[in-house]
Amino acid sequence: GIQVEQSPPDLILQEGANSTLRCNFSDSVNNLQWFHQNPWGQLINLFYIPSGTKQNGRLSATTVATERYSLLYISSSQTTDSGVYFCAVRNSGNTPLVFGKGTRLSVIA
Amino acid sequence: ETGVTQTPRHLVMGMTNKKSLKCEQHLGHNAMYWYKQSAKKPLELMFVYNFKEQTENNSVPSRFSPECPNSSHLFLHLHTLQPEDSALYLCASGLAGVTQYFGPGTRLTVL
Repeated sequence: GIQVEQSPPDLILQEGANSTLRCNFSDSVNNLQWFHQNPWGQLINLFYIPSGTKQNGRLSATTVATERYSLLYISSSQTTDSGVYFCAVRNSGNTPLVFGKGTRLSVIA
Repeated sequence: ETGVTQTPRHLVMGMTNKKSLKCEQHLGHNAMYWYKQSAKKPLELMFVYNFKEQTENNSVPSRFSPECPNSSHLFLHLHTLQPEDSALYLCASGLAGVTQYFGPGTRLTVL
């Protein structure tokens, strides 16, 4: 099945700093989503982005499907950005999403 | 708040107990999912329902029994669990093939 690798596994940032999280996948995809899991376990859908670029406030994401990677940019990070960021992909039809292991982000004041 | 609710939020049960987890969505989604999240492991898909029909069972032990009575409700019935089943159980709903929205999860502890 399709493999999803996220990097870095852990990231510590000073408040106000910018960061880039990466998701590599091993096959073509028709669905890619980024999620944020807050410290209480709630998973929030950030982007549905099988290709192209999207922005939502301080967050933006770019997927280059032909090169099998996606990037999540966080600018001017805040302590509330802390948590785990997951990338999930689907490579055909209605097959289930496959999740990466996540990037654990800690933003310190 | 994503529109997907789960109850209870926390559950402690003994290995001989029977309990059920409940998930509810009124977003008009046609697919519902159960995931298990254990410490330091990726999210594991357990079950998928599309239009109330189970379309995926990811080799889940029979001590976990899902039920989807209608497109808005999903249950996970638990019986004779093991301590290693302690985890965060997440429900999600979505339009099949498109986005998924997660509930807040039930944190389960099996003693």
